[in-house]
Amino acid sequence: GEEVAQTPKHLVRGEGQKAKLYCAPIKGHSYVFWYQQVLKNEFKFLISFQNENVFDETGMPKERFSAKCLPNSPCSLEIQATKLEDSAVYFCASSQNFWGYTFGSGTRLTVV
Amino acid sequence: GEDVEQSLFLSVREGDSSVINCTYTDSSSTYLYWYKQEPGAGLQLLTYIFSNMDMKQDQRLTVLLNKKDKHLSLRIADTQTGDSAIYFCAESIDNAGNMLTFGGGTRLMVKP
Repeated sequence: GEEVAQTPKHLVRGEGQKAKLYCAPIKGHSYVFWYQQVLKNEFKFLISFQNENVFDETGMPKERFSAKCLPNSPCSLEIQATKLEDSAVYFCASSQNFWGYTFGSGTRLTVV
Repeated sequence: GEDVEQSLFLSVREGDSSVINCTYTDSSSTYLYWYKQEPGAGLQLLTYIFSNMDMKQDQRLTVLLNKKDKHLSLRIADTQTGDSAIYFCAESIDNAGNMLTFGGGTRLMVKP
């Protein structure tokens, strides 16, 4: 389809629990990006993929965050042992080129 | 390092023009973008400009780029209530696949 589909829309986890977010990029887009938007509207880049390969992971808190983009499966972002400060909206975007980013509508993660 | 800054808030009357400003620090920015975010939604790409351009016009939108001052602006002509949203400028430096660095967003409120 022509939209980036993110699931679930909302996710509530107790502190210390695992959270897993999914993103289906637009068919034919080679690049997938994850961004975290915190309460002050700041966007923080987390990780990008070119097909199933990690392209840039400089924004990932590696000790608890992991991400995958496997063939024929939605991409995923997983947070082990969530903390309160992980509460944010997580956006996925896909693109075929540098101007063609399409963002999903986000997953709102609330850690309580 | 990269830093993109925007004013937090802008209020205009319906029918007036809106001008949203953005400054950036990285002189090697290749592409600059304007995104619109409505409540609870993802980011919608409004327009982009290459760093070798000074101006780009697209219907009601005009983007001006002053490379010397590292200043980007978005002018919305005949602003409508449906234009009320948060507007983010963003920059990228490398070619396809590179991450975006976002400003903090400008909340545009359009009064009837």
